[in-house]
Amino acid sequence: DIQLTQSPSFLSASVGDRVTITCRASHDISNYLAWYQQKPGKAPKLLIYAASTLQSGVPSRFSGSGSGTEFTLTITSLQPEDFATYSCQQLNRHPLTFGGGTKVEIK
Amino acid sequence: EVQLVEAGGGLVKPGGSLRLSCEASGFTFSDYSMNWVRQPPGKGLEWVASISSSASHIHYADSVKGRFTISRDKGQNSLFLQMNSLRAEDTAVYYCARDGVLATLDSWGQGTLVTVSS
Repeated sequence: DIQLTQSPSFLSASVGDRVTITCRASHDISNYLAWYQQKPGKAPKLLIYAASTLQSGVPSRFSGSGSGTEFTLTITSLQPEDFATYSCQQLNRHPLTFGGGTKVEIK
Repeated sequence: EVQLVEAGGGLVKPGGSLRLSCEASGFTFSDYSMNWVRQPPGKGLEWVASISSSASHIHYADSVKGRFTISRDKGQNSLFLQMNSLRAEDTAVYYCARDGVLATLDSWGQGTLVTVSS
């Protein structure tokens, strides 16, 4: 199985900060990686697919990069509505797997 | 508008069974692969099972293989998850999710809580 390791698992930041979250895969997954945002009590929301393609309707302050085994999600200027948990998912092969999540909280 | 509505969660004893359903609307259900994803309380997401649009390809997580069965009904626009031999570690919110571009999960239901406890 492909393991995904996210770091950090917790991040404290202020409005306006630039935030970067890393997701490392245990095997080469090319660009078969997605990022999701989840707020408490709500379902996850797709932000980015194919490692760097922004899902329709997602603000441009979100961006993704990487390929192979190392990926990043960047939020260029954190907004109040961005405080949430972010998870990566690999879609290269079954079983599909998620990273452990990164909780972004207000400093 | 794409809508996915799960139902069927509840409290069940260890060893028991439960059948979850997910009613889809706002898109052509028969054109899309579908998934179940779960989230134990306070923990991360875990993919559970996938079924292709024609139901010809089905995959399961090792943790549920042999105990859970995913299925779909085109006429009812519905996805199902039959869960047998339930364990405490199956306690979670269960989401159904649609496959989008490159099999990403582009639409999710609101989730249904399954609690396995004596």
